[in-house]
Amino acid sequence: QKEVEQNSGPLSVPEGAIASLNCTYSDRVSQSFFWYRQYSGKSPELIMSIYSNGDKEDGRFTAQLNKASQYVSLLIRDSQPSDSATYLCAVKEVGTGNQFYFGTGTSLTVIP
Amino acid sequence: DVKVTQSSRYLVKRTGEKVFLECVQDMDHENMFWYRQDPGLGLRLIYFSYDVKMKEKGDIPEGYSVSREKKERFSLILESASTNQTSMYLCASRVSNYGYTFGSGTRLTVV
Repeated sequence: QKEVEQNSGPLSVPEGAIASLNCTYSDRVSQSFFWYRQYSGKSPELIMSIYSNGDKEDGRFTAQLNKASQYVSLLIRDSQPSDSATYLCAVKEVGTGNQFYFGTGTSLTVIP
Repeated sequence: DVKVTQSSRYLVKRTGEKVFLECVQDMDHENMFWYRQDPGLGLRLIYFSYDVKMKEKGDIPEGYSVSREKKERFSLILESASTNQTSMYLCASRVSNYGYTFGSGTRLTVV
């Protein structure tokens, strides 16, 4: 069983600030990493994927991956109240099938 | 965009009933998955399928079965519903190295 750990929060940031969400994983051969956003009562939606060490930017979102340290993070710049949600980290391991392993999520609240 | 459709948004069933949850995707994905999501426990994989008539157990298959007779449809079956199966059920599909696309979820209550 792969371990994917996230701080459950809640994390509160003021509107316009940078929100930083972190995720660590236990498997050194994990291959692909994903961030999902889940609004209350809704299903998760994919917002970022990252496969290589370093940073990947998409609009206000930046994913950062450090495979040596086994962590992946998500930065949300200029946070908006609409970013208030639970953010799930997912990890896919090399080889055996297409199964993802999910963290339990970090709850983010952006305060207007 | 890939669309994953779950047939029911809310269901209320009685203990001991046989329950069918249906999931259909429209993008010819080989891989389909059933998860349940509970507060504090996150997403837990029940069953998944790589192809028609193929199924693999996930982390918590007890009390569940699945059926995949056609590529686009993956059904989750609760053989005899129990109150501890009250949960949000999420279907997902994916291809290759891309992320999952989730359906809108079915909130099942067993009374």
